Amino acid sequence: GAGVSQTPSNKVTEKGKYVELRCDPISGHTALYWYRQSLGQGPEFLIYFQGTGAADDSGLPNDRFFAVRPEGSVSTLKIQRTERGDSAVYLCASSLFPRGGLGETQYFGPGTRLLVL
Amino acid sequence: AQSVAQPEDQVNVAEGNPLTVKCTYSVSGNPYLFWYVQYPNRGLQFLLKYITGDNLVKGSYGFEAEFNKSQTSFHLKKPSALVSDSALYFCAVREGRGYNKLIFGAGTRLAVHP
Repeated sequence: GAGVSQTPSNKVTEKGKYVELRCDPISGHTALYWYRQSLGQGPEFLIYFQGTGAADDSGLPNDRFFAVRPEGSVSTLKIQRTERGDSAVYLCASSLFPRGGLGETQYFGPGTRLLVL
Repeated sequence: AQSVAQPEDQVNVAEGNPLTVKCTYSVSGNPYLFWYVQYPNRGLQFLLKYITGDNLVKGSYGFEAEFNKSQTSFHLKKPSALVSDSALYFCAVREGRGYNKLIFGAGTRLAVHP
């Protein structure tokens, strides 16, 4: 079956511009996560959705970052007034249940590589 | 706060030899531990996880990991390395209180030489 997909795969933008990154989770997965991976580092949590609502957005670095999941499936990560420091790979993951009692596995997409010039 | 440490930036192994990639963790509750692998320009692929039960966990592609509670470690192992195992490996922990975010280590690059 299809895995998590993310578009675009690469995005180059200029400082100050607005960008949207899209994530299509695995069909039927109710939980969706966004992570950011900077060069040479492990992924860092940004936000997670339980259905349509953001259950934990504690990882969003500031108010320029926002994410939505209006119908409980596709999610969009939005970055306003981009800065060079936002350059990273943005990873999306999904899991079957938000609170898997046995340690639900998160399945990752290929990521969107964002470069802010 | 929970954390994960991968003490080695890179591990070099000859093909056919056993490999170990180290991971230690710190959590306040019960740990849920994961290993992922990342190939160039690709996302993270799930290898295996420890939830409870046997301390030796078997996963994909012949990998296994040993959970050691007293040493707070979860080292990844494989009896015989392949050149195709060369990749970036990440250990992650999820605190077992319902919090769903994964905390990742910085990663270890595995290089398997022919």
